[in-house]
Amino acid sequence: EDQVTQSPEALRLQEGESSSLNCSYTVSGLRGLFWYRQDPGKGPEFLFTLYSAGEEKEKERLKATLTKKESFLHITAPKPEDSATYLCAVRSNAGNNRKLIWGLGTSLAVNP
Amino acid sequence: GAGVSQSPSNKVTEKGKDVELRCDPISGHTALYWYRQSLGQGLEFLIYFQGNSAPDKSGLPSDRFSAERTGGSVSTLTIQRTQQEDSAVYLCASSLMGQGRYEQYFGPGTRLTVT
Repeated sequence: EDQVTQSPEALRLQEGESSSLNCSYTVSGLRGLFWYRQDPGKGPEFLFTLYSAGEEKEKERLKATLTKKESFLHITAPKPEDSATYLCAVRSNAGNNRKLIWGLGTSLAVNP
Repeated sequence: GAGVSQSPSNKVTEKGKDVELRCDPISGHTALYWYRQSLGQGLEFLIYFQGNSAPDKSGLPSDRFSAERTGGSVSTLTIQRTQQEDSAVYLCASSLMGQGRYEQYFGPGTRLTVT
């Protein structure tokens, strides 16, 4: 069964303290891995799509990487405004591949 | 350009009443999704529309829930005889679903409270 697991559930960082969030997946053929950011009271905001192992995408202080089993969202020198829940989702080859399989998210808090 | 919009942003209703939630997707996006998100929970898939194909209703939790998409654009999610467990944020997303673009873009959500 296709599955996405995110860790840790929650992470608290000091401003400037770099870290990484993990998204592990088990799918029958990956056809895309997606990262989103969700602020309280808002809908998820699309960040990145990764398609193949070795691929990397960057946006400001965020960098997403992908291997055959997991993806990392690296946050370099985070600022308080990076505080949010980060969601990971995958699209697989199995069955109806037009639906995404979602992780439960990592809640990130960056203290000034 | 304009993003996905949803209305109302908040809805408070009494148990047993029917509610309608509206979603306006991004123009040109052929796919439209409805999700439900309860406090502290992940995204729960409800229903998916793609072009003129039959919708995928596999996520609807009961027959009190239904949705339609008119003219391949606006969608309405209807919940009949609301129950307290229906209280959640209902999110709509749209996707180009083609040309190598499969990411979903979300609206701000409708917060439904059933009293």
